[in-house]
Amino acid sequence: EIVMTQSPATLSVSPGERATLSCRASQSISTNLAWYQQKPGQAPGLLIYDASTRATGIPARFSGSGSGTEFTLTISSLQSEDFAVYYCQQYNNWLWTFGQGTKVEIK
Amino acid sequence: QVHLVESGGGVVQPGGSLKLSCAASGFTFNIYGMHWVRQAPGKGLEWVAYIQYDGNIKSYADSVKGRFTISRDNSKNTLYLQMNSLRVEDTAVYYCAKVVNGTPPRPFEYWGQGTLVTVSS
Repeated sequence: EIVMTQSPATLSVSPGERATLSCRASQSISTNLAWYQQKPGQAPGLLIYDASTRATGIPARFSGSGSGTEFTLTISSLQSEDFAVYYCQQYNNWLWTFGQGTKVEIK
Repeated sequence: QVHLVESGGGVVQPGGSLKLSCAASGFTFNIYGMHWVRQAPGKGLEWVAYIQYDGNIKSYADSVKGRFTISRDNSKNTLYLQMNSLRVEDTAVYYCAKVVNGTPPRPFEYWGQGTLVTVSS
């Protein structure tokens, strides 16, 4: 099983600031990496797939990068609606796995 | 507009069974793979099972293999999850999800709102 490790567990950021979230895979997954956002009481929503492709309707302030085992989600200027939990997910094989999540909270 | 609606959740005793359904609309159901994902209260996301568009390929997380069965009825645009030998640790909100278009495996493009399964005596 490919283990996904996210850091930090919690990120405190002021509105308007930049947020950088990390995700590491236990083995190479090429660019088979997605990011999801989940707000309290809601289902997750796809933000980024194939490591750097924004999903339909996702604002340009969200960007993804990386390949192999190291990946980054950057939110260039945090808006109030961006405070949420973010999960990375690998789909390199037929056993999809998620990271444990990073909570982005208001500083 | 893609719409996924889960149903069938509820309270069940340990060792019991439950069958979840996911009604799909707004897209051509029979050409997309589908997944079940769960989230225990206050915890992260855990992938549970996948089924290919035609039902010919299925994959399960180790935690549910041998106890859960994923299936689909393309004539009814419906996805199912039969859960047997349920354990307390299976307590979670269960989501169905539609994959992103493309050669599998692919990530999850749309999610339902989930149905809560509680395993308790």
